[in-house]
Amino acid sequence: DGGITQSPKYLFRKEGQNVTLSCEQNLNHDAMYWYRQDPGQGLRLIYYSQIVNDFQKGDIAEGYSVSREKKESFPLTVTSAQKNPTAFYLCASSPRDRKANTEAFFGQGTRLTVV
Amino acid sequence: AQTVTQSQPEMSVQEAETVTLSCTYDTSESDYYLFWYKQPPSRQMILVIRQEAYKQQNATENRFSVNFQKAAKSFSLKISDSQLGDAAMYFCAYRRTNFGNEKLTFGTGTRLTIIP
Repeated sequence: DGGITQSPKYLFRKEGQNVTLSCEQNLNHDAMYWYRQDPGQGLRLIYYSQIVNDFQKGDIAEGYSVSREKKESFPLTVTSAQKNPTAFYLCASSPRDRKANTEAFFGQGTRLTVV
Repeated sequence: AQTVTQSQPEMSVQEAETVTLSCTYDTSESDYYLFWYKQPPSRQMILVIRQEAYKQQNATENRFSVNFQKAAKSFSLKISDSQLGDAAMYFCAYRRTNFGNEKLTFGTGTRLTIIP
């Protein structure tokens, strides 16, 4: 079945450590997104990518980094520079073709906790 | 920059009744997409309904319908015959249609409670 997979579901990190969240999709979508979700703040865009080897900062990119070496994969690294990384992270993908279904498909999320 | 505003952090409705969730947005574009997503306790995001700005007709999906007022930049969601399974966070979202800028922007969400 086609879909988008995030791993792991739960992740614990010690302060000062970098950690990478995985996002893989087999929907052949060009665009991929990373969102952070905190209580009362909805979904805030961290980074997005429209094609391979290209990505743009979203609204809260500081302390995060991404790469897009393959169409299927868009990993997010939470660096030690992110002051408050404990949150729920959602990855999404969508097609770019106007004629295609335009909705974004979401993974099941990763809950990151700093200990 | 595009912004999406949901002014109702929480709403509640009696089972089988109708409820309307509000959403407004700010854009200088004339063509774009608007979405309502549902996030149940499982936290899986589910598309509820989609509206293309160039279409005059309001979108409808079974018990879900929208009231799209382009001039007012308003995009409300109406849920008819509310069911217990409708309890969730609802997010309004905006996306431009032009190729090359697929940024997808969300509002802060409305938590909907269904009262049995």
